[in-house]
Amino acid sequence: AQSVAQPEDQVNVAEGNPLTVKCTYSVSGNPYLFWYVQYPNRGLQFLLKYITGDNLVKGSYGFEAEFNKSQTSFHLKKPSALVSDSALYFCAVRPSRGGYNKLIFGAGTRLAVHP
Amino acid sequence: DADVTQTPRNRITKTGKRIMLECSQTKGHDRMYWYRQDPGLGLRLIYYSFDVKDINKGEISDGYSVSRQAQAKFSLSLESAIPNQTALYFCATSDYQTGQAFFGQGTRLTVV
Repeated sequence: AQSVAQPEDQVNVAEGNPLTVKCTYSVSGNPYLFWYVQYPNRGLQFLLKYITGDNLVKGSYGFEAEFNKSQTSFHLKKPSALVSDSALYFCAVRPSRGGYNKLIFGAGTRLAVHP
Repeated sequence: DADVTQTPRNRITKTGKRIMLECSQTKGHDRMYWYRQDPGLGLRLIYYSFDVKDINKGEISDGYSVSRQAQAKFSLSLESAIPNQTALYFCATSDYQTGQAFFGQGTRLTVV
């Protein structure tokens, strides 16, 4: 079965430190990969995507993600965390074949950045 | 104005009542979706539609129905609401080529 795993329910990091939010997937073929962020009482906002090309993709608000095909991972990173980065982060995958653009979401990881 | 608009934003309803959640979009996308968000479960797909003549069940469609009234409008109905349908509901559209989704701000539904 196709799935997306975010192994950490919550990630805690001090402001100014680097952060990583992990995502692994189990999807056949060459999927499209996405990260979305959800702030309280808001919808999901697009952060970045990987479709093809360079394994390191850069997105909004200074975030970046690294695609690793052999490890089927797409971890979200930021060199220096801000308190305002505190939110719920979702990894999502669009299978490259079939799926008709349906996204498969992970359960989400809550990022807490402490001053 | 938001590209994807959901109404209402919040709703409290009683068990057994029929309720409709509405979604409209100005993205011009053909593909529209309804998701449900529950804590610890992420987003789960309820229904999706690729045009006004195309409706498809997602992974958790039982207890729900949808109507695609126009390219820009996609409504979700709960014919007889039950408490375990209490959740945050999101409407989304997607770009055909990349699959990137654009979300509404959500409807928080409470069934008492």
